[in-house]
Amino acid sequence: GQQVMQIPQYQHVQEGEDFTTYCNSSTTLSNIQWYKQRPGGHPVFLIQLVKSGEVKKQKRLTFQFGEAKKNSSLHITATQTTDVGTYFCADRGSARQLTFGSGTQLTVLP
Amino acid sequence: SQTIHQWPATLVQPVGSPLSLECTVEGTSNPNLYWYRQAAGRGLQLLFYSVGIGQISSEVPQNLSASRPQDRQFILSSKKLLLSDSGFYLCAWSVRVRVMEGYTFGSGTRLTVV
Repeated sequence: GQQVMQIPQYQHVQEGEDFTTYCNSSTTLSNIQWYKQRPGGHPVFLIQLVKSGEVKKQKRLTFQFGEAKKNSSLHITATQTTDVGTYFCADRGSARQLTFGSGTQLTVLP
Repeated sequence: SQTIHQWPATLVQPVGSPLSLECTVEGTSNPNLYWYRQAAGRGLQLLFYSVGIGQISSEVPQNLSASRPQDRQFILSSKKLLLSDSGFYLCAWSVRVRVMEGYTFGSGTRLTVV
């Protein structure tokens, strides 16, 4: 079945530094969704990318979908302590199912 | 507005005991419903999904089962828990026909089997 690889698994940054997590697949992704899970919490939907090469921004967060639709990235500019959590990408291959990546756990040091 | 309720928040159960976790959705009709499990520090594993009353699809063979007795109710069960069933169980729903929207997750049940 579809496998979505996400790197890095862990990332520690100093507050104010930038952060990027990458999502890769050996096959073409359908729609990419990104979620954030705070420590002890549940995943919360951030955004969905559909088109090849699409770029979307939410304040300090920039989401990209690769031209070949085989990769995606989430970039956070000038991290804050509120950005702490695990970020997941997920391929929405059908209306019924999401295939989640393994997640990147972000720690922001004050 | 739509809300999803999941309970209990935490649960400690002995090996071999039964399990019943309940999830209900309010403010929407005909949702797709999902049960996910998350091991500590790991990703989300889809266990079951349902597109309608009585319709259950299983993704991973195990000693768990799911039922959907009502349109907005989804239940995860086990007759005899194993130590390996410990984890964070998350219920989620999505709009059935609109693929542009994300999943909405419940607050989860943290299950420890001892």
